[in-house]
Amino acid sequence: AQSVAQPEDQVNVAEGNPLTVKCTYSVSGNPYLFWYVQYPNRGLQFLLKYITGDNLVKGSYGFEAEFNKSQTSFHLKKPSALVSDSALYFCAVRDTGTNAGKSTFGDGTTLTVKP
Amino acid sequence: DTEVTQTPKHLVMGMTNKKSLKCEQHMGHRAMYWYKQKAKKPPELMFVYSYEKLSINESVPSRFSPECPNSSLLNLHLHALQPEDSALYLCASSPTRLAGGADTQYFGPGTRLTVL
Repeated sequence: AQSVAQPEDQVNVAEGNPLTVKCTYSVSGNPYLFWYVQYPNRGLQFLLKYITGDNLVKGSYGFEAEFNKSQTSFHLKKPSALVSDSALYFCAVRDTGTNAGKSTFGDGTTLTVKP
Repeated sequence: DTEVTQTPKHLVMGMTNKKSLKCEQHMGHRAMYWYKQKAKKPPELMFVYSYEKLSINESVPSRFSPECPNSSLLNLHLHALQPEDSALYLCASSPTRLAGGADTQYFGPGTRLTVL
């Protein structure tokens, strides 16, 4: 079975400060990991993914994420937060084993960036 | 064109109505998905079509009936829904499920459904 945990329902940061949104996962095989962002009343927008290779993945809008196999984590980061980054963020995992192709989403983390 | 479109944006229907949601993509993707999302919750997978054939049905009640008439279109037919079916219905597409799960899914903006 595959699962994802986003331990923080809410993250608050000041504009210009670095931000981190945490994600840990559990899979039986090797993971494919994804981050999506959702603005109010909109669909999910793809930010970045880890498939294989370099543990540091760079994505859209200045976001990056670091894959840590030993800690089974894939935290989303940005060096300098913008007010416009305020949104709901979802981490998702797919197991390359038995559940290949079917995503499991975390419960989401609401990011609020204050001016 | 890197967009998934969904119509209508909003839909209000009674429990005895029949309505349909429509999803369209012109990215040449061969996998298409329906998700249901309640407020501030993660999307829940309903159906997956791969090469126009239904490949995953997540035990969705029969009052939801998907249809994939061609590789660009995905419909969700609704009949005799319940108030608890009110949600945001998201469509997504990806190049193909057969790529071992590494595909990125591209989501449409959703249809906000209210069942009275």
